[in-house]
Amino acid sequence: DIVMTQSPDSLAVSLGERATINCKSSQNVFYSSNNKNYLAWYQQKPGQPPKLLIYWASARESGVPDRFTGSGSGTDFTLTISSLQAEDVAVYYCQQYSNSPHTFGQGTKLEIK
Amino acid sequence: QVQLQESGPGLVKPSETLSLTCTVSGGSISSYYWSWIRQPPGKGLEWIGFINYSGITNYNPSLKSRLTISVDTSKNQFSLKLTSVTAADTAVYYCGRGWGSFDPVEVWGQGTLVTVSS
Repeated sequence: DIVMTQSPDSLAVSLGERATINCKSSQNVFYSSNNKNYLAWYQQKPGQPPKLLIYWASARESGVPDRFTGSGSGTDFTLTISSLQAEDVAVYYCQQYSNSPHTFGQGTKLEIK
Repeated sequence: QVQLQESGPGLVKPSETLSLTCTVSGGSISSYYWSWIRQPPGKGLEWIGFINYSGITNYNPSLKSRLTISVDTSKNQFSLKLTSVTAADTAVYYCGRGWGSFDPVEVWGQGTLVTVSS
């Protein structure tokens, strides 16, 4: 199985400041055949199901604010929230879907400082 | 807009079979890939597996010996059966929809808590 490791486990950021979450995969999830990284980011608020934010490492899902940006390639990826809003408090997960099983990172809890 | 709703018993005894159904509304099940994901209380997400409308499946190897995912296109539903459950199978179970076999889950159900206890 591909192991996904997120850092940090938790993060406290002031409103309006930048938040950065990292995700590292134990194997390359980039396929040169289609030039795509098989990496997604989800946001999960308490008591709610996860919500897809980013797919193909950097493609923003419809309706997701542009303050959310995904970047990276190969084995190292980053989710950046450019200006933290109160509604962004959540747990964030990365997931690789290049190999079965489609494994998730352990999650990063984002809070307001 | 497509919506997914999980249903099934909230309490299952150890060694018995956990059975859940996901009903798809607002769209046809006869396309896309339909997934199950679970989340133990207070913990992270675990991918269980998926099925497509024609019955092609892909299971998490850690669960494969106990797992069956099936689809009923006439009812616009797909189902999960997990046999010989233990307390470690206690979790919120989510159903979801993806575009293909190597795609993320773009639409999620609200989830249903299943507790394994005598």
